[in-house]
Parts: sequence; structure tokens; C-alpha cells
Amino acid sequence: AQKVTQAQTEISVVEKEDVTLDCVYETRDTTYYLFWYKQPPSGELVFLIRRNSFDEQNEISGRYSWNFQKSTSSFNFTITASQVVDSAVYFCALSDNEAGNMLTFGGGTRLMVKP
Amino acid sequence: ETGVTQTPRHLVMGMTNKKSLKCEQHLGHNAMYWYKQSAKKPLELMFVYNFKEQTENNSVPSRFSPECPNSSHLFLHLHTLQPEDSALYLCAGGGEGTEAFFGQGTRLTVV
Repeated sequence: AQKVTQAQTEISVVEKEDVTLDCVYETRDTTYYLFWYKQPPSGELVFLIRRNSFDEQNEISGRYSWNFQKSTSSFNFTITASQVVDSAVYFCALSDNEAGNMLTFGGGTRLMVKP
Repeated sequence: ETGVTQTPRHLVMGMTNKKSLKCEQHLGHNAMYWYKQSAKKPLELMFVYNFKEQTENNSVPSRFSPECPNSSHLFLHLHTLQPEDSALYLCAGGGEGTEAFFGQGTRLTVV
């Protein structure tokens, strides 16, 4: 069975601070896909990144970066120089399908960035 | 126009009522999904439809009845719900080679 754990339920930072959201996963599949989604107050889930199990290269996209460590089954997300607009709930998810048809989600981390 | 549109955005219904949630995707994808987001549980997959055929039912009670008349529309028919069914119901569209795109959800309250 697949499982995703986001141990941090809530994080509060001051604007311009860096913040890392942790994600630990469990799966028996050798091929799998990891995702991060952002859920702003409006409710929809906004796709941020997809990473497959064979690609352990870290990725950077603007202020966002992701650290995939297969050895520790972790896929952590860092926001550099956080902004108030980053305030949202962030979900890490796992799928055995590249399309993410059937996502197993973590419990989410609520990030509050204060001015 | 967003990729996935859900209506209504908010719904309050009694336990004896029958109502339906609607989802429409404008992405041209072949798969559609219903997810449930409760206050105290992680997001859960409920149903998956591929090319209008249901390919996944994640042990969802029969008081939730999905319908997918075509690849662009997905419904969730609700009847005799319980207060614990109150949640945010999210629809998503997707398919091979692409991630799932979510709608804004319907906030359901069962009284």
C-alpha cells in the first residue's frame, strides 16, 4: 500500500524567510511518481511538480526547489525568500501512474507567511 | 475559463435530500476523477473514469453515485447522506502524459 506523510501540519514564517516542507513516502512499486500541489484559499489544487522515481536530480523553478532522496524516501519542497502569496496548504502526493490518475495524498502542510 | 469547472461551489442539503454535483472539463483529456477532502482526513480518491468508463471505485458507499455521460462531464449524485459526508468534493481531469488538473471544488454541508 502507498502512504505519504507530511509531518508538519502547520508552519508559520515571516516574509523573505526560506521554508522547507517535508514529505516522506512509502511504496512497494519500483516505478512511481511524486507530486506537489498547492491549495490556495479558493480551493483548487494547483499542480507544482511531478518527479518520477528514476530521476533523482533536484529541480529548481524560480523560488521553488525540490529535493528527492530515494535513500530516505523523501521529496522535500523548499521555498526561498517566501512571500505572503505563498500562504496556502501544500500537498505531497504519490502515484504509480505518470498521469497521476490515482493520487495518494499526504495530510498537507498549511504554510502561513506573515508580512 | 478554467480547465475544470465545478458547480455548485457550495451546497447545503438535508439527510433525506437528493442532489447532484457537476464537473466539466475543458482540457480535452479522457480521464476524470472525484476526490473527497474532509477536515480530518487526507484527500481521498473516490472514483476514476477513463473514456466514460468507471475504472476505479475506492470502496465508496452507494449513497454516492457517479455518472460520466462523456469525457467532458462528470456528475456525483448524492442521496441520503450523513453529516460525516460533509466535505470538499474535488473533481479533476487528466490522462496519459499529463498531471491531474483540479477544479475549485464543491463545499458540501449535510445537515
